[in-house]
Amino acid sequence: GAGVSQSPSNKVTEKGKDVELRCDPISGHTALYWYRQSLGQGLEFLIYFQGNSAPDKSGLPSDRFSAERTGGSVSTLTIQRTQQEDSAVYLCASSLALGRNEQFFGPGTRLTVL
Amino acid sequence: KQEVTQIPAALSVPEGENLVLNCSFTDSAIYNLQWFRQDPGKGLTSLLLIQSSQREQTSGRLNASLDKSSGRSTLYIAASQPGDSATYLCAVSRITGTASKLTFGTGTRLQVTL
Repeated sequence: GAGVSQSPSNKVTEKGKDVELRCDPISGHTALYWYRQSLGQGLEFLIYFQGNSAPDKSGLPSDRFSAERTGGSVSTLTIQRTQQEDSAVYLCASSLALGRNEQFFGPGTRLTVL
Repeated sequence: KQEVTQIPAALSVPEGENLVLNCSFTDSAIYNLQWFRQDPGKGLTSLLLIQSSQREQTSGRLNASLDKSSGRSTLYIAASQPGDSATYLCAVSRITGTASKLTFGTGTRLQVTL
């Protein structure tokens, strides 16, 4: 597609439920990133992928968060046993490769945990 | 730890004025700096990318400068228009290991009035 797409655009869930957020990067972009934007916290880096590999998971807030990428394309961010503090906008970005390349962002998924 | 600060936090100007947004960062060992705009409820739109070896980039009415040694960047917007109203974010990337992580500032909320 022309840009980074994310689905769903909005997700409301109950505390304790699991959610999956999807990101479809720009075709040909090998690097993919997940960020979180929450009130009072600004934008924070969560995890990146180079191809299907995620060498650095230190940005994930807890072990309830996991992410995978298959086929070097689509990525899913999974949050297990959601908590109210997980409520935020989750943004995905992609770039041609790691390093000096510009990152292009998707529209985000707004997650609300009741 | 890299810290990125943007001043002012909010700015209101009449249409037609030229304006400058400021971004400062504490660790000058950056790979590049990117300026984004974010419209309410939307994702991030990349405006300009400045590599660490560059001093400025221009796109239309926008000009971004980078002084890496002093840890500063400015975004100059010429002849502002109401459509420029948005939150402007700067972000720096620093290579750690094989990662390219963006650290974001807290943003400047710009309103251009008629």
